[in-house]
Amino acid sequence: EAQVTQNPRYLITVTGKKLTVTCSQNMNHEYMSWYRQDPGLGLRQIYYSMNVEVTDKGDVPEGYKVSRKEKRNFPLILESPSPNQTSLYFCASSPSSGENTGELFFGEGSRLTVL
Amino acid sequence: SQQGEEDPQALSIQEGENATMNCSYKTSINNLQWYRQNSGRGLVHLILIRSNEREKHSGRLRVTLDTSKKSSSLLITASRAADTASYFCATDAWGGSEKLVFGKGTKLTVNP
Repeated sequence: EAQVTQNPRYLITVTGKKLTVTCSQNMNHEYMSWYRQDPGLGLRQIYYSMNVEVTDKGDVPEGYKVSRKEKRNFPLILESPSPNQTSLYFCASSPSSGENTGELFFGEGSRLTVL
Repeated sequence: SQQGEEDPQALSIQEGENATMNCSYKTSINNLQWYRQNSGRGLVHLILIRSNEREKHSGRLRVTLDTSKKSSSLLITASRAADTASYFCATDAWGGSEKLVFGKGTKLTVNP
């Protein structure tokens, strides 16, 4: 089944404790992206990647890092989480060619709480 | 910064009625997309309409695009309780689909 898989789905952590949210897609998509969703603010893009070893900042990259060493994986790293990073995070992928070009396929989300 | 803005923010209708949601945006686009999100779940792509298209259909969905007014509408006909969800428009402003920008969404409730 074609899917985008995020882990963990739920996490409660404390300020300053490094964490990684993993994202993996099995559709051989070139493009991957991370969004955060907050009440009243909608979805905001954190980072995106056009292909392996190619990443770029979205609208709200502060406090986050990403890497794209393999095509299928795009982990989101919070080096020193703070309470304002409490949010619902979504990973998404998209093909860069073909019938579904530009259409995002989303994971189920990772709800992160930073105390 | 937000590119698309959906209107209304919330909409409540009875099953069988049609639901219309609107999206306005600010800059030129290559395409506009609509997504659906069930509460707390991932977004699901519904339909993509390109800037040179004026109308597109998919099942009970009808999307229109007016580039002169920088607006789009999503019509769901003969709504069902299962259509209850939030609906988002997304635009690919600033030159490419790598920075797809979402609006804040319309929360649709379809009452049985």
